Amino acid sequence: GAGVSQTPSNKVTEKGKYVELRCDPISGHTALYWYRQSLGQGPEFLIYFQGTGAADDSGLPNDRFFAVRPEGSVSTLKIQRTERGDSAVYLCASSLKSGVYGYTFGSGTRLTVV
Amino acid sequence: GENVEQHPSTLSVQEGDSAVIKCTYSDSASNYFPWYKQELGKRPQLIIDIRSNVGEKKDQRIAVTLNKTAKHFSLHITETQPEDSAVYFCAASIEGKLIFGQGTELSVKP
Repeated sequence: GAGVSQTPSNKVTEKGKYVELRCDPISGHTALYWYRQSLGQGPEFLIYFQGTGAADDSGLPNDRFFAVRPEGSVSTLKIQRTERGDSAVYLCASSLKSGVYGYTFGSGTRLTVV
Repeated sequence: GENVEQHPSTLSVQEGDSAVIKCTYSDSASNYFPWYKQELGKRPQLIIDIRSNVGEKKDQRIAVTLNKTAKHFSLHITETQPEDSAVYFCAASIEGKLIFGQGTELSVKP
């Protein structure tokens, strides 16, 4: 596609529920990144993929968070047993090659846990 | 790991004045430094970047400078306009990913 697409744009869920956030990167971009942005803060790194494999998942806050990219294109961020502190905008970005080019960000998914 | 500090957190200037935002980073292995502009409710957008083999880069009213020895880099916006009002983020690359600063909210008053 022309840009990075994220769905849904907004998600409201109850505490304790499971959610999935989807990212469709720019075609041909091999590197895909997930970030979390809380109000008034910079994007906080969660995980990045180079192709199908997670090259670095050091930013995932705990084992309730998991992400996959089974075919090297679309990625899904999965959050189990959601907590109110998980509320944030989850940003996905892609780049042609990791580490040496600027990212193109998606519009994000605003997750609200009530 | 890499740590990026950004100052100031807020900056207010009169239209036509210059604005400077500064960032420092901790890991000397970082070699790529982009700047992003984020308007309210929108995605961050890349506005300029610099690589470690270059000391300065300009694009119209925007320039970035890099001092690798001191591990700091700065964004300079000249002849500011109200549409420059936004939050600006610096970032540094390390081990394939970008680490972002905390952001600077720039307000340009007409």
